[in-house]
Amino acid sequence: DIQMTQSPSSLSASVGDRVTITCRASQSISNYLNWYQQKPGKAPNLLISAASSLQSGVPSRFSGSGSGTDFTLTISSLQPEDFATYYCQQSYSTPWTFGQGTKVEIK
Amino acid sequence: EVQLVESGGGLVQPGGSLRLSCAASGFTFSSHWMHWVRQAPGKGPVWVSRINSDGSSTNYADSVKGRFTISRDNAKNTLYLQMNSLRVEDTAVYYCARRVAAAAPYYFDFWGQGTLVTVSS
Repeated sequence: DIQMTQSPSSLSASVGDRVTITCRASQSISNYLNWYQQKPGKAPNLLISAASSLQSGVPSRFSGSGSGTDFTLTISSLQPEDFATYYCQQSYSTPWTFGQGTKVEIK
Repeated sequence: EVQLVESGGGLVQPGGSLRLSCAASGFTFSSHWMHWVRQAPGKGPVWVSRINSDGSSTNYADSVKGRFTISRDNAKNTLYLQMNSLRVEDTAVYYCARRVAAAAPYYFDFWGQGTLVTVSS
């Protein structure tokens, strides 16, 4: 199975801050990397697919980059509604696997 | 509007069985591969199983292989997960998720609201 490792596991940031979350795959997954946002009691919501494709309706302050084994999710200016947990997920091979999550909290 | 609505969760004793359902609407169900993903309390999501669009091919996580069975009824627009020999560690919210129909790279573009399965004596 492909292991996905996110860092950090949690972070505290202020509104307006630039936030970067990294995700590393245990083997190359090309660009088969997706990012989801999850709020308490809700299902995950897709933000970015194929490493860098922003989903319709997702604010442009979110961006993704990377290929191979190393990927990044960036929030350019953190907004109050962005406080949530973020997961990366690979769809390169079955079983599809998720990172352990990064919880973004209010400083 | 795409909707996925899970049902069938509840409290069950270890060794027991449950069948989860996921009712789909707002899209052509028979065109999409469908998945089950679970999330234990306070943990990240974990992929459980998938089924192709006509139900002829299935895959399972090692942790549920031989105990869980995924199936679908395209005439009823419904996805199922039969869970047997349940263990305490199967306790989680179970989500059905739709795989995007377009070409790879694939992703989950819609999720249900989830149904809670609690395995406890």
